[in-house]
Formats: sequence, structure tokens, C-alpha cells
Amino acid sequence: AQTVTQSQPEMSVQEAETVTLSCTYDTSESDYYLFWYKQPPSRQMILVIRQEAYKQQNATENRFSVNFQKAAKSFSLKISDSQLGDAAMYFCAYRSATGGTSYGKLTFGQGTILTVHP
Amino acid sequence: ETGVTQSPTHLIKTRGQQVTLRCSSQSGHNTVSWYQQALGQGPQFIFQYYREEENGRGNFPPRFSGLQFPNYSSELNVNALELDDSALYLCASSLTRRDGYTFGSGTRLTVV
Repeated sequence: AQTVTQSQPEMSVQEAETVTLSCTYDTSESDYYLFWYKQPPSRQMILVIRQEAYKQQNATENRFSVNFQKAAKSFSLKISDSQLGDAAMYFCAYRSATGGTSYGKLTFGQGTILTVHP
Repeated sequence: ETGVTQSPTHLIKTRGQQVTLRCSSQSGHNTVSWYQQALGQGPQFIFQYYREEENGRGNFPPRFSGLQFPNYSSELNVNALELDDSALYLCASSLTRRDGYTFGSGTRLTVV
């Protein structure tokens, strides 16, 4: 079974600065997807960024980028130029790309609460 | 796109009762998954439906059951409610099993 671990329960950052959220995972599979989701107080889970394991290039979406280290099973999220609207709970998630009954299932970490100070 | 809509937004039930939560997926989304999120925790996978058939299940007892309908709506049913069932229940849908998921805003269930 796959596991996802987020070791930082809480992080804080000053507005306009950069913050990095950590995530490690454990799997015996070689083909999978990794995601970062943001959950604001409105409760809706919003996809921030997605990484396919077979791609060596780190994914980037505007101010959000990841550092994907497949051998180390590490998947950190970097938020540049932090904004007040970035404040939320952030979840790292894993999804298998192989078949079987787990296909499509998302395995989430415990989450990191990000506070942005003005 | 109309997004994923869940109803009701909040619900209070008594231990031992039964509850039905509803989800309306985006048109064309054949895959729907349900997750349970306890306060301060990450979501836990309950089960997944693909073209109206359950094709994946997490570590939840049989009193958690579901249905998916041809009009892209789905239900999560929980029988014999327990206090520990109090949580946020999230529905997520995707066009295919390989695509990313769109989540609803969830139903907050409180069991007293």
C-alpha cells in the first residue's frame, strides 16, 4: 500500500516571500501521479499542480513549482511571491497509474496549514 | 462546466440512523469517488464508481454503500451511523480514471 507523509503540520510565510512545503511518499510502483491540492476554509479541494512520475522535468504552474526527486520519493511544493489568498491547508496526494481496484484512488497526506502574514 | 455539487452542505443525525449524501458531477464525468475527511486530517478514500459500477473500495465497512446514476449523479449511503462517522464527505469526479479530479465542497455530517 502507498503512503504519503507531510512532516510539517504548519508553515508560515510573509507576503511576497517564498515558502516550500515538504512531502514524501512510499510506493513500489514505477508509474504514478503526484498532486498538490489546496483546501481553503470553503472546503473545496482545488488542484494546484500535478506531476507525472515518468517525466523528469519538474512541473510549474505560475508561482507554484515542485521539486520531484523520484529516487528519494520526495515531492516538495514551492510557492513564490506568496499572496494572502494562498493561505489554506495544502495536501500532497498520490495516485497509481497502473490498473486494478486502486486505479484512480487518491492517497492523501495529513496536510500542512499555510499562514501568510501581510 | 458546472462543477461538482454536493447536498446538503451540513447535516446532523443521531447515532444509529441512516443518511444519504448526494453529488452531482460534471456532465460526461464517468468516474466518481467519495472521500471521508475527519477534522484536521487528509481525506480517506471510501470507494469509486465507474460507469455505475463500484470498481475500488477503501477500508470502510459495508454499511458505507453507494450508487452512481446515468445522469452523472451519485449517492453515498451510510447505515447505522456511529459517532466516528462525523466528518466532511467529499465527492470527486473525473472524465476518465486517468484524468485529474474535480472536487465538490463537501457535506459536513455530525452524528450525535
